[in-house]
Amino acid sequence: NAGVTQTPKFQVLKTGQSMTLQCAQDMNHNSMYWYRQDPGMGLRLIYYSASEGTTDKGEVPNGYNVSRLNKREFSLRLESAAPSQTSVYFCASSEARTGRLGYGYTFGSGTRLTVV
Amino acid sequence: DAKTTQPNSMESNEEEPVHLPCNHSTISGTDYIHWYRQLPSQGPEYVIHGLTSNVNNRMASLAIAEDRKSSTLILHRATLRDAAVYYCILRRNNNDMRFGAGTRLTVKP
Repeated sequence: NAGVTQTPKFQVLKTGQSMTLQCAQDMNHNSMYWYRQDPGMGLRLIYYSASEGTTDKGEVPNGYNVSRLNKREFSLRLESAAPSQTSVYFCASSEARTGRLGYGYTFGSGTRLTVV
Repeated sequence: DAKTTQPNSMESNEEEPVHLPCNHSTISGTDYIHWYRQLPSQGPEYVIHGLTSNVNNRMASLAIAEDRKSSTLILHRATLRDAAVYYCILRRNNNDMRFGAGTRLTVKP
């Protein structure tokens, strides 16, 4: 019962470096999401993918790109990391279908990213 | 966007019931009320959701006011493992679930 798997769990980057955060789900969910959580705050939506082949911006998309590689995988890329991107990143998935909002999200355990 | 208001923190004694309030006075007729919790160093975990009627599941109960402008998450017997941040969220569409600061619940032995 893996659910949502995120890699890596921890990462330290230097300012200007790039990296890709990986996320995979094994629940055959249509929708996937990337959130960030800064210390003492709630989660903020970065990007989401309502279905395979589509991606859309959330609340805080600047500085990030995403790829929905297939139905299982949704990656988040930081092209040029900045200290302001130091955060915990969570991936989530949901069996969301139009008009049916009763489905919950399943979250991964997060990636702790520090940009120095 | 419809917003929710929750107390920053609450305390409870172990084995006692806990009532976590949430105000959402600008809720629309199509907004679902979702509750999640986040244990330390973990991702959020779905707890319960509802639209108009009260709901029960193995984790908790959700009591929704008749006018839907407030709701209460009820943990019937708090345990130390229930110590977490609890988020009340209004979900208007498939891909818009916004987390506020939530309520930090402390459970005392």
